Formats: sequence, structure tokens, C-alpha cells
Amino acid sequence: ETGVTQSPTHLIKTRGQQVTLRCSSQSGHNTVSWYQQALGQGPQFIFQYYREEENGRGNFPPRFSGLQFPNYSSELNVNALELDDSALYLCASSPHVGESYGYTFGSGTRLTVV
Amino acid sequence: AQTVTQSQPEMSVQEAETVTLSCTYDTSESDYYLFWYKQPPSRQMILVIRQEAYKQQNATENRFSVNFQKAAKSFSLKISDSQLGDAAMYFCAYKETGANNLFFGTGTRLTVIP
Repeated sequence: ETGVTQSPTHLIKTRGQQVTLRCSSQSGHNTVSWYQQALGQGPQFIFQYYREEENGRGNFPPRFSGLQFPNYSSELNVNALELDDSALYLCASSPHVGESYGYTFGSGTRLTVV
Repeated sequence: AQTVTQSQPEMSVQEAETVTLSCTYDTSESDYYLFWYKQPPSRQMILVIRQEAYKQQNATENRFSVNFQKAAKSFSLKISDSQLGDAAMYFCAYKETGANNLFFGTGTRLTVIP
């Protein structure tokens, strides 16, 4: 059983550019959530995907968007990057929507915007 | 809005000793879940322990136990017989029943002194 894998592990982008981060969910998990963790902070919920549709969103602007594919993997896209977007982006999967047994997290993508 | 507060940015403990990490939260809900996650330098969030709010009995997982005080909205984590591998950031998290996201605190950095 594989866990949650994220790619790339590190990324440097210039302000104004666009970025795509990728996540493969744990085997058997159909729900994927994305979190942003700024330096020295706890993760903040961006959005969740279930059955290829967005299933809830945190307080993030529309330039943060996502996709989920039939194999339950997911992408996080951020347009018009800002310096404050520099953070660790964590992907978490769960076997069911509304899961309350905790989530399985990946090791994240460290995004630096310069 | 739900908030999770961890008032101890840093804690240290001697190897083999016991340490308690504090967490308080604010909610108007009666049915919810609380979690402690560990984030080592590998960045992956690892579930340490989970508590269901409707259960009065405190959760335990080997050397890890919680003190859940529902009326006080307090959820502390006790680590017994601390080991060097316990050194990490520890995050307290809250989730409403049926909701799709976790609310995290700002974390406590635990150092284990040999």
C-alpha cells in the first residue's frame, strides 16, 4: 500500500507566474484535500476534491484552483503567483468524504516565489 | 469560526521523561473530533492520536495519551517515556463531524534532550 506522494518536492517561481502541484492519493482513497502551510504556521485548508468535483473550499482566492482525475490523483494550480504564496503545500487523502479517522498526508511541495 | 490555540511555541523534555503539550479550541458544536499530528523534518503530517468528542474516555496510543476536557475545550497531549524520535512539530487539529476540513493550531516544537 503506497502512501500519498507529491511532486515536485521543491519549486521556485517568479511572481506573476503560474504553478501546478501534483498529488497521488493513497490506494483506496477517493478524497483529496489541499492545505497551505506558511512558515511557522499550521496548515490552512484550501479545498477538497471528491468524485472529480470541488467539495468545499477555505478562504482562498479563485486563482487557487484544482482538479481531480478518475484515478483520484489531484492537481493544485495557482495563477498570478504572489510572494505570500511561498509556503509548504500539503496534500491529504482519505477513504471517504467527511472522514473522521484522520487523513493521510504527503510530504508536501515547498514553493518559493521570488 | 473554529479556532485552535497552542500556547507553547516550544517545549523540551529529557529522554525517558514525560511531557505535556497544551491545546485549546473554540467551537459551538457538540459533535466533533480532535487530533494530534506530528510533523518531523520530513514534513509529512503523521497522525498521533484521535479523540471523539462524544466519548468521555481519554484516547491512548502506546506512549501517547490525551486529557480531553470538553467543558473547558481543552485537549492536551501527554508523551510518556520520551524518545529521541519524538522530536518534531506537534499540531493540534479540530474537525466537525461530517465536515471536510481540519483546523490546525500553530504548533509546538518539541525537543528531546539525550
